[in-house]
Amino acid sequence: DQQVKQNSPSLSVQEGRISILNCDYTNSMFDYFLWYKKYPAEGPTFLISISSIKDKNEDGRFTVFLNKSAKHLSLHIVPSQPGDSAVYFCAASASRGTTSGTYKYIFGTGTRLKVLA
Amino acid sequence: NAGVTQTPKFRILKIGQSMTLQCTQDMNHNYMYWYRQDPGMGLKLIYYSVGAGITDKGEVPNGYNVSRSTTEDFPLRLELAAPSQTSVYFCASSQQARAFFGQGTRLTVV
Repeated sequence: DQQVKQNSPSLSVQEGRISILNCDYTNSMFDYFLWYKKYPAEGPTFLISISSIKDKNEDGRFTVFLNKSAKHLSLHIVPSQPGDSAVYFCAASASRGTTSGTYKYIFGTGTRLKVLA
Repeated sequence: NAGVTQTPKFRILKIGQSMTLQCTQDMNHNYMYWYRQDPGMGLKLIYYSVGAGITDKGEVPNGYNVSRSTTEDFPLRLELAAPSQTSVYFCASSQQARAFFGQGTRLTVV
């Protein structure tokens, strides 16, 4: 049972255009969402996050949108750069009702983004 | 500024052998995690810990054991290696929501 789904295994975008990566979740207890970026032979690195009390969070070229009613979030990268080429993972956690501060991250399968120069 | 350090980076094991994957963090984080990533798949949570002396199972704990005797260290033990445990293993730590990951250990069981 995949609680966090990234249905697009790959995405190619021209340099300078917008990249939109999508993520769907099924567990209504999830209340915190994160995006990680992963280069080959490296561990994932944190990119941006959003709490369920918000519907948008922005950090430079990266914006995450959360639609709780649809259980959907998306990551927008504008403008896309060749250095953004990597695998992007969506992750979710449910901190409500757990040991205070416990974050069990459930990851999606990832989307490989290729930004073409 | 080391962050999360995993050793070894690569290892080949024979079926039935045992080994311990080491993980240490220098950020004084309470929470630590072990994930595995299979080809084309996301990261699956094996075990996690909310503090020294406290561990709990994640999504895929079978075939693994952990211990957390100190805040810094969270080793993952494979007792009887099986080909299904061929994967890349990532250790992570966090204090709140944002987790920091190690570089990974690529394990092959033959």
